[in-house]
This record gives sequence, C-alpha cells and structure tokens, in this order.
Amino acid sequence: AQSVAQPEDQVNVAEGNPLTVKCTYSVSGNPYLFWYVQYPNRGLQFLLKYITGDNLVKGSYGFEAEFNKSQTSFHLKKPSALVSDSALYFCAVSSGDKLTFGTGTRLAVRP
Amino acid sequence: GAGVSQSPRYKVAKRGQDVALRCDPISGHVSLFWYQQALGQGPEFLTYFQNEAQLDKSGLPSDRFFAERPEGSVSTLKIQRTQQEDSAVYLCASSSRGTNTEAFFGQGTRLTVV
Repeated sequence: AQSVAQPEDQVNVAEGNPLTVKCTYSVSGNPYLFWYVQYPNRGLQFLLKYITGDNLVKGSYGFEAEFNKSQTSFHLKKPSALVSDSALYFCAVSSGDKLTFGTGTRLAVRP
Repeated sequence: GAGVSQSPRYKVAKRGQDVALRCDPISGHVSLFWYQQALGQGPEFLTYFQNEAQLDKSGLPSDRFFAERPEGSVSTLKIQRTQQEDSAVYLCASSSRGTNTEAFFGQGTRLTVV
C-alpha cells in the first residue's frame, strides 16, 4: 500500500520569506510524486511532479520540490513567498495507477 | 473541452435518494479518475477508467456506489440510497496516459445529504 504524510496542518510565513511544505511518502517500487494546490471553490491544480531524473524539480508559479530517496521525502519549496500563494497544498504519490493524497497543508502568507 | 467539467456543481439529496454525478474529461484523455474529498481531508481514490474499461474500483466504499464510462469519454458516478456519510465533494480527473502524467481535476460536485 502507498501512503503520504504531510505533518503540518498549517504553515505560516511572511511575504518575501522562503517557504517549505513538508511531505514524506511510502510506496513499493519507484515513486511518482506530485504536488497539487487547491484554492477556495476551485479544483486541484497541478504544480509539479517527480518521475525520474534530477532530484530538484521545478514547477509552476516559482515552486520547486526536492526528492530525497533516503529520507523518502518530497518537500515543496519557494524562495520568496507571495500573499497569493496562500492556499491548500496536497502532496500525492502514485506507483503507476491511482494517486494517493496526503491530508493537505494550509499555507498562509502574511503581508 | 478546455478543462474537466463536472455537473452539477452542488447537489442536495434527501437520505435514501439516488444521485448521478457527471464528468466530462478533457477531450482525448484516456484515463479518468473519481475521488471523494470529505471536509478537511485529502481526496480519496474511488475508481479509475482507462477508456471504457474500469480497471480499478477498489476505493468505492460500498455497493451503493457505481461508476461507468460507456463510450470512453463522459463518466457518471451514481450513488444509490444516499446516506449522510456520503456528503462530500466528488472530484473527477483525467489524464492523457495514466498517473505518471499529471491529472487535471474538475471543480467537483459538492453533495450534501440531508
């Protein structure tokens, strides 16, 4: 069985500061890892994915994520947060079939 | 279409009623997924189609839940004899090849069972 853990329910950061949203995973075989963002009353939007290759993955809106196999982590990062980044972020893992999501982390960026 | 379209956006059903939720995937997308998202939770997998074939229905919570995609395009999720615990947002997603490519999600249908 595959699973994802997002240990923080909420992350608070000041605008302009770097942000990190944590994710660890468990899967048998090679993992396919994803980050999605959910704004109020909108569907999930794809941010980035790791399939294979470079451990640092760059995605939409200036976000990036680092795949760490030894720590089974895939943390989401951004060098400089914007107020408009405030949303609910979901990490997800797939072993080739369905996506399994974490419980989500709410990011709050204060001006 | 430009994106995944789900209808209705909101549905209120009396306990015991049957409901049908529709999903129009992105044109040409082979894979289609249904997820259930309870309040404050992440989406939970329900079922997966590749074209018209339902390859995985392991996430359907009971035999009251049924999904179909008869022509490999539009899909319908049907819930019979709705219960209060069925209240959730039902999300549909499509992708071009499966889940090693990104899935595109619809806005969801919010089902409230009263």
